[in-house]
Order: sequence, then C-alpha cells, then structure tokens
Amino acid sequence: AQRVTQPEKLLSVFKGAPVELKCNYSYSGSPELFWYVQYSRQRLQLLLRHISRESIKGFTADLNKGETSFHLKKPFAQEEDSAMYYCALRSWETSGSSLTFGGGPQLTVNP
Amino acid sequence: DAGVIQSPRHEVTEMGQEVTLRCKPISGHNSLFWYRQTMMRGLELLIYFNNNVPIDDSGMPEDRFSAKMPNASFSTLKIQPSEPRDSAVYFCASSPHRSTDTQYFGPGTRLTVL
Repeated sequence: AQRVTQPEKLLSVFKGAPVELKCNYSYSGSPELFWYVQYSRQRLQLLLRHISRESIKGFTADLNKGETSFHLKKPFAQEEDSAMYYCALRSWETSGSSLTFGGGPQLTVNP
Repeated sequence: DAGVIQSPRHEVTEMGQEVTLRCKPISGHNSLFWYRQTMMRGLELLIYFNNNVPIDDSGMPEDRFSAKMPNASFSTLKIQPSEPRDSAVYFCASSPHRSTDTQYFGPGTRLTVL
C-alpha cells in the first residue's frame, strides 16, 4: 500500500531563511508526486507537481527515487509562505487514480 | 465558476445524531473525492467516485459512514450515528478526469460532535 510521510507537524523559520519541508513516500509503482498548499482561510490548492519540474512562488521539489523523497525547498522564505503544506502521491487503480496525502506541516514564517 | 461548493460550512451536533454533508463538484468534472482533515492524522481520503460510481471506499472509517453520488452534480457524506471522534474538517474535491492530477477542493465543512 502507498504511504506518504511528512515528519514535521510544525515548522517555524524567519523571513529570508531557507526552508525545507520533508516528504518521503513508499509505493510499489512509478511514483507521481505533488505538493498542495492551504493558506489561512483559503482552499487547499495544487502548488507543484514533480513531472513539471517547475518552480512556483520560489518553491522547488526534486523527486529522489533512491531516497524515496520529494522534499519541498525555498531558499528565502517569505511571510506569505505561512501555510499548511501537504505532500501527495498519486496511485492508480483499475478504474481511476487517487491521491494519498501526508500529514502536512504547518509552516510559519516569522518577520 | 464558484468552484466546488460544500454545505454546511459549519455543523455542530450532539453525539448520536445523523449528520449529512453535501458537495457540488465543478460542472463537467468526472471525479469526486471526500477527505477528512484532523490535526493528528492530516488529510485522509475517505472515498472517491468516477462518473458517479464509487471506486475506492477503503478509507471510510466504519459502517457509520456512507457516501452517495446520485448524479454528476451532487454528492453526500452521511454519518449515522455521529460520535465526538468524528469531529474534523471534511473536504470535497473534484477533478476533470480520473487521470488528472489536479484536484479542486471545496472550502470544507467543519464538523463538531459534542
């Protein structure tokens, strides 16, 4: 069975400091991983996906199959980055696919 | 488009009562997902539908939980009888196609069972 682990529940950094949100996964198939973000009083939304190899709002994430990790990084955190961050793994069934989410840390960026 | 719509936004009920949560997916989306969010367990998938058909309900905690999707524009999640440990935020999400990775989430229903 697939599993996503995010070890931190709470993460606090100062503005301008680097931030790394850890994500590890276990899955027998070829992994497809995503990061979702939930800002205060807003809906959960997609931040980025590994297949796009994109940088969104300064965040990047690299899939490391050897370490089964998909850590989210940003070199200089901003106060507006404060949010809940969920790592998600897509798994496939015969009739469709679904996402398995990790526990998600609450990131707080202090001024 | 208003996005995924959920009602009610807040629900407070007493233990033993029946609770019904409602979701209207984005028009044209074929897949619908129900999640539960708690501090302890994060975001858990309860059940999802493709074309109104339940595909995977292995995340439904127990028989007290049931979900239906009678048509493409409406789904319900029912808890009967409710218990205090059911207190959580329940999210509904939809996506255009079963193979699409992007899910669009509703605002959630915050359920408190006293």
